[in-house]
Amino acid sequence: DTAVSQTPKYLVTQMGNDKSIKCEQNLGHDTMYWYKQDSKKFLKIMFSYNNKELIINETVPNRFSPKSPDKAHLNLHINSLELGDSAVYFCASSGDSLSYEQYFGPGTRLTVT
Amino acid sequence: DAKTTQPPSMDCAEGRAANLPCNHSTISGNEYVYWYRQIHSQGPQYIIHGLKNNETNEMASLIITEDRKSSTLILPHATLRDTAVYYCIVRAPGRGSTLGRLYFGRGTQLTVWP
Repeated sequence: DTAVSQTPKYLVTQMGNDKSIKCEQNLGHDTMYWYKQDSKKFLKIMFSYNNKELIINETVPNRFSPKSPDKAHLNLHINSLELGDSAVYFCASSGDSLSYEQYFGPGTRLTVT
Repeated sequence: DAKTTQPPSMDCAEGRAANLPCNHSTISGNEYVYWYRQIHSQGPQYIIHGLKNNETNEMASLIITEDRKSSTLILPHATLRDTAVYYCIVRAPGRGSTLGRLYFGRGTQLTVWP
């Protein structure tokens, strides 16, 4: 069984469009995260949710909005996509918000043209 | 949080032990050392963590020096599938603004050759 899953795996879209990436974890974890890995391979945290409550918002443009319908899901919605949004986005989860033992999904490669 | 320094790349022969060093000379008393790896095109994978004692699990061993200023991740019998970027991260348990943030640096690209 896949612990942390993301859909889609690849996403190609044009500038100005709105898109969503979905993430689900079946580990029973309370905390979920979104990370962005840019073309230079730097991996940076974007958001963190604990029990559906936002606890980290790491200076991300307002065009990015995470949504957590329940603690097993954390979706990432991006409005008005820009070229610079092209990256690989990783979802992760951990047992609680104090834990740095995080489990990552396979990633979604977003390409904005 | 303490900064870490890792060599940019290392090689290891398949079947041999891979010893990946990490310097964290400014580590404070409540900071843990975490190791993750990222195999090409996959999500990062948690490997192991420790505070001051040496730790071992099914994936690797973590050796932390007595002064805690450096550590070594040991993959006892490296395989080709261990080729990946390995990240050493130092973090303190915390609340509020530092909560849950993992900061990934450049890491060490380990290449295991046949």
